Amino acid sequence: RKEVEQDPGPFNVPEGATVAFNCTYSNSASQSFFWYRQDCRKEPKLLMSVYSSGNEDGRFTAQLNRASQYISLLIRDSKLSDSATYLCVVNPGRNTDKLIFGTGTRLQVFP
Amino acid sequence: AAGVIQSPRHLIKEKRETATLKCYPIPRHDTVYWYQQGPGQDPQFLISFYEKMQSDKGSIPDRFSAQQFSDYHSELNMSSLELGDSALYFCASSLEESGAYEQYFGPGTRLTVT
Repeated sequence: RKEVEQDPGPFNVPEGATVAFNCTYSNSASQSFFWYRQDCRKEPKLLMSVYSSGNEDGRFTAQLNRASQYISLLIRDSKLSDSATYLCVVNPGRNTDKLIFGTGTRLQVFP
Repeated sequence: AAGVIQSPRHLIKEKRETATLKCYPIPRHDTVYWYQQGPGQDPQFLISFYEKMQSDKGSIPDRFSAQQFSDYHSELNMSSLELGDSALYFCASSLEESGAYEQYFGPGTRLTVT
């Protein structure tokens, strides 16, 4: 079982739609949580960190549920430019600062 | 804002050759990480350096070595290259004192071994 699991999708949604991605992680000692986006053959780009209290950045809202070891990302009013792969990323703690990546969820926004 | 710089962007090598990848972190960042992303796979952590000392080690083959220099740039040295080493190699950097563990990735080096 992978340490970070995501639904690979693809999610095909029309412009303006709201879409939600979910992610679970297996290590309860994990310290930090992030969403990155990755366009084809390019580098992962940090979208946002995820905090226990939840956080919002414009059209993007991230939530963390430590008890259920569950992370979510909500995208409102989808744009064509949101089409990408969204990576759920975890720092497992235990005196390490490496990142563990999920396999990503593919989003395709159509006109 | 300045980002992570990696060179070369593309590299073609033959089996059993050596390769050196370079990474220049974001100015003032003190920690550098190397990741390998194979085709259709997620990035896998290889190794990291904080203040020029190795801070963590992942699934890095013994044929690979890396170091961080006094100006904080890092180099990943790969020897006896194998076909399976063909991948995207990303360098990321962060500022340890921020405590946020936010890592910023460079554009990657695409290595093809023939």
